[in-house]
Amino acid sequence: QKEVEQDPGPLSVPEGAIVSLNCTYSNSAFQYFMWYRQYSRKGPELLMYTYSSGNKEDGRFTAQVDKSSKYISLFIRDSQPSDSATYLCLFFPGTNAGKSTFGDGTTLTVKP
Amino acid sequence: ETGVTQSPTHLIKTRGQQVTLRCSSQSGHNTVSWYQQALGQGPQFIFQYYREEENGRGNFPPRFSGLQFPNYSSELNVNALELDDSALYLCASSKSGQGYGAGYTFGSGTRLTVV
Repeated sequence: QKEVEQDPGPLSVPEGAIVSLNCTYSNSAFQYFMWYRQYSRKGPELLMYTYSSGNKEDGRFTAQVDKSSKYISLFIRDSQPSDSATYLCLFFPGTNAGKSTFGDGTTLTVKP
Repeated sequence: ETGVTQSPTHLIKTRGQQVTLRCSSQSGHNTVSWYQQALGQGPQFIFQYYREEENGRGNFPPRFSGLQFPNYSSELNVNALELDDSALYLCASSKSGQGYGAGYTFGSGTRLTVV
């Protein structure tokens, strides 16, 4: 079983929709949680970073962490065509923090 | 402030050959991490370098090796290339030795094709 499972699979939504992206994890050592966005032929760029359970908001993006249930979510409000990209969750352990783990990504298409 | 620069952008190698990929870290960053991203998958952690020492390694064989230089730039070397090594190789730099502070800054990657 993989340490990180990301869903949904490829997602297509109309402009203005609310998008929900999720990652579940099995490694209790994960303490730091990030969401990255990756456009085609580019490296990932950081969207959100958090280390505690609860919600963190930044503009149209909200990151949610539930450590007890071992899942994190990213919500995108009022989605735009420019949000079309692959979204990746990234986890770091509390110690030996060099050993990070990505999810496999969700490819989002926002249609005008 | 310059970002992370990787070279070359694309590379084609023959099975069994050796390859060196290069990464210049963002100004002020002292930690470099390397990832392998196969098509349709998330990046897989190869290893991290901090102060010229390896600081964590993923599940990759010893034929994957690296270096970090005093100016914090880095190299990834892969020996005895296999077809499955075909992937996008990403370099990420960060400020802290722990590597997770405010997140990583990624380069655009090197696309390696092994034939």
